[in-house]
Amino acid sequence: DSGVTQTPKHLITATGQRVTLRCSPRSGDLSVYWYQQSLDQGLQFLIQYYNGEERAKGNILERFSAQQFPDLHSELNLSSLELGDSALYFCASSVLVAENNEQFFGPGTRLTVL
Amino acid sequence: AQKITQTQPGMFVQEKEAVTLDCTYDTSDPSYGLFWYKQPSSGEMIFLIYQGSYDQQNATEGRYSLNFQKARKSANLVISASQLGDSAMYFCAMREGSSGGYNKLIFGAGTRLAVHP
Repeated sequence: DSGVTQTPKHLITATGQRVTLRCSPRSGDLSVYWYQQSLDQGLQFLIQYYNGEERAKGNILERFSAQQFPDLHSELNLSSLELGDSALYFCASSVLVAENNEQFFGPGTRLTVL
Repeated sequence: AQKITQTQPGMFVQEKEAVTLDCTYDTSDPSYGLFWYKQPSSGEMIFLIYQGSYDQQNATEGRYSLNFQKARKSANLVISASQLGDSAMYFCAMREGSSGGYNKLIFGAGTRLAVHP
């Protein structure tokens, strides 16, 4: 158990819908990262937040948005869903000043868009 | 642009034997970090080992060691004494830039390892 929690574990929805994925980082970790793992694109970085502020952006679609709240939990919002958005979405957290900046991954949320 | 290449889509090894999973990387940043993660069929990502670009010695963690050859830009994972539970997908990843803020990981395509009894 990495200490990072993600809810829900599974999500099945229809095209055009909007969903929210939730992540609670490990206690004490200020940084939260979101990754998408799909069959065709592999594991891709989406976005990073540090202590409530956006720090880095990857290949995140405009239909997707994220935020980190004062209690450090984060949410990833996916809207106008398409079939291609079906993927495993990981949240990871890290202590920014750790020597190896290891990122601890949550169990993931498997999103299926029908 | 930063890139991670894992050229072995699949590997198999006999139980108790050692196996090397290849990883090459490309970056122009002098400061970077290299990671290996294991993803079993259950889906979670498990951190295995880390090597910093300025580390003088190869990293080791139990049965895992990282064969870091900086000039060749390679960071191969060596698993000694393979166990059936090592069967999984293995990802090599690189952290861009120095620590302190921008720590996104770039992942390779992965290598699926099968350990045979």
